[in-house]
Amino acid sequence: NAGVMQNPRHLVRRRGQEARLRCSPMKGHSHVYWYRQLPEEGLKFMVYLQKENIIDESGMPKERFSAEFPKEGPSILRIQQVVRGDSAAYFCASSPQTGPGANVLTFGAGSRLTVL
Amino acid sequence: DAKTTQPPSMDCAEGRAANLPCNHSTISGNEYVYWYRQIHSQGPQYIIHGLKNNETNEMASLIITEDRKSSTLILPHATLRDTAVYYCIVKRGSRLTFGEGTQLTVNP
Repeated sequence: NAGVMQNPRHLVRRRGQEARLRCSPMKGHSHVYWYRQLPEEGLKFMVYLQKENIIDESGMPKERFSAEFPKEGPSILRIQQVVRGDSAAYFCASSPQTGPGANVLTFGAGSRLTVL
Repeated sequence: DAKTTQPPSMDCAEGRAANLPCNHSTISGNEYVYWYRQIHSQGPQYIIHGLKNNETNEMASLIITEDRKSSTLILPHATLRDTAVYYCIVKRGSRLTFGEGTQLTVNP
């Protein structure tokens, strides 16, 4: 089991460009979560998705940020027109739908976005 | 989610037990206590969780008081690799809300 796979691990963008971060959940997991960690700060919840559905996006900035988890393929966190304040580590986590481990999240290694 | 309170930092000698406290006085009857840790710049790692009873796994033990208003995470034999920020989280459902956590430093 390869765990939660995130790519790219490091991404550099110039202001105004788009950033796409991908997350492949653990095999058998149908729930995906995205968190952001700004430099020297704590982890902040962004969005919770199931296949083809956004369940909770209360932590997502209102503009420029979007997330999806299609029926096939990885979950995508998309940031349009990036600004320097978007520089952060973005962590994805997954959990199974049911069962004893339903509320235990497995995190990926993160994607580190640097905006020049 | 119930609010938790943890000391900002703790030190522990290598090979000794590390006891990390957490207060969660507003916890509801159906809310679990979860512990995660984050080793510098890595993704958070699940450690253990419990509802009422004490729990033990290969990583740690979790002691929950009878009134469930506080708990203690015990790392029985701390190693240098256990140096990390430890998060105590009380939640219902699937969303985790991370607080400031406790920076545990294990010293040689």
